[in-house]
Amino acid sequence: GESVGLHLPTLSVQEGDNSIINCAYSNSASDYFIWYKQESGKGPQFIIDIRSNMDKRQGQRVTVLLNKTVKHLSLQIAATQPGDSAVYFCAENSGYGGSQGNLIFGKGTKLSVKP
Amino acid sequence: EPEVTQTPSHQVTQMGQEVILRCVPISNHLYFYWYRQILGQKVEFLVSFYNNEISEKSEIFDDQFSVERPDGSNFTLKIRSTKLEDSAMYFCASSGGSSGNTIYFGEGSWLTVV
Repeated sequence: GESVGLHLPTLSVQEGDNSIINCAYSNSASDYFIWYKQESGKGPQFIIDIRSNMDKRQGQRVTVLLNKTVKHLSLQIAATQPGDSAVYFCAENSGYGGSQGNLIFGKGTKLSVKP
Repeated sequence: EPEVTQTPSHQVTQMGQEVILRCVPISNHLYFYWYRQILGQKVEFLVSFYNNEISEKSEIFDDQFSVERPDGSNFTLKIRSTKLEDSAMYFCASSGGSSGNTIYFGEGSWLTVV
């Protein structure tokens, strides 16, 4: 069935190191992918998104890579800071935003940054 | 920065009681959503709303649930007769308008059914 999942449930990194969070998806019809950050007790916070016609997109300290061949999505955080500690979710959408708000979320990866 | 606001932040209710969760989406957004997250689990889609009607809903969104946009700013989720398993964090979200297709979430309303 359609699913979005994460390879690693937890990730611990040293402050200043780069972090890579991975996500696999199974719906080949998905054409829009989003990474959200969720801090404890708060709502999902948009980080970065990517459409299926791209394979890489960069933001401030973050990069999302999309490999459609193997249906894999990753989030790279450069120079990880303690404030990056949170649970990171990937989400997919088979319709490009707009009214297609039926995002399918993965289970999440908890990122812990050690000072 | 514009944001989605939700009230209440936390509500405790007795099983069988009706609950209304309120949301004020970002002002120029056109699409509105409710999601929920049971403690320790992933975020799940409930319903999307556009042009004053439901555009999509999940299996979770059964007859006990309803949504309404009573005026130009509020978007509400009503649970008619709460069950213990309705205990969860409920997130409102919105998209469209000048922010394009990015879906922005509120901080959530934590519902505890006892």
